[in-house]
Amino acid sequence: QSALTQPASVSGSPGQSITISCTGTSSDIGTFNYVSWYQQHPGKAPKLMIYEVSDRPSGVSNRFSGSKSGNTASLTISGLQAEDEGDYYCSSKTSSFTHVFGTGTKVTVL
Amino acid sequence: QVQLVESGGGVVQPGRSLRLSCAASRFTFSSFAMHWVRQAPGKGLEWVADISFDGSNKYYADSVKDRFTISRDNSKNTLYLQMNSLRAEDTALYYCARDRYTYGLVGGDYWGQGTLVTVSS
Repeated sequence: QSALTQPASVSGSPGQSITISCTGTSSDIGTFNYVSWYQQHPGKAPKLMIYEVSDRPSGVSNRFSGSKSGNTASLTISGLQAEDEGDYYCSSKTSSFTHVFGTGTKVTVL
Repeated sequence: QVQLVESGGGVVQPGRSLRLSCAASRFTFSSFAMHWVRQAPGKGLEWVADISFDGSNKYYADSVKDRFTISRDNSKNTLYLQMNSLRAEDTALYYCARDRYTYGLVGGDYWGQGTLVTVSS
């Protein structure tokens, strides 16, 4: 199972919106709505930000939103803030009942 | 607040075995699927394995299949990962994570802080 494809880096100024893409195949993102997004700060464990494509866990800011079209999922961060800097990973359940993560995207707030 | 505490990591020679544990507390452990996820130094996340709430369903990444075994003891609120025939490429920080559901669907909504496994001669 190959990793899902994400851009290596995305940047934006405070207050702007950015979108991170996550491209898979018809064997993962294209078939299942079990797409999740994680935020990871240096030296910390990942934190779930979005699950099932577009649902937010309790306590996650509504500045984070998710969507999916075909084999590609997206995470949008609106009203970018300094605390949003970090690494972001998508993941999806696969047709083999396994899971696969994305390659990761480093978000920089300019 | 959900708590997951991994242990059992360390330095091990190639070809040897190691067993990781993940002690769960402050939630009903027997009601949730669990995952192991690893992260090699400076690299991204890699899903390793998951197990259903009752241990009846287990799935593995191709990279660890036939070498690693995931298991759980619901009476002890503990998740395990038995790692055999370890290779240098298994060197990583190993996280345990709780799924939102009884079967491994979503991935981890709560994560431990990880335990470091280093495979080196």
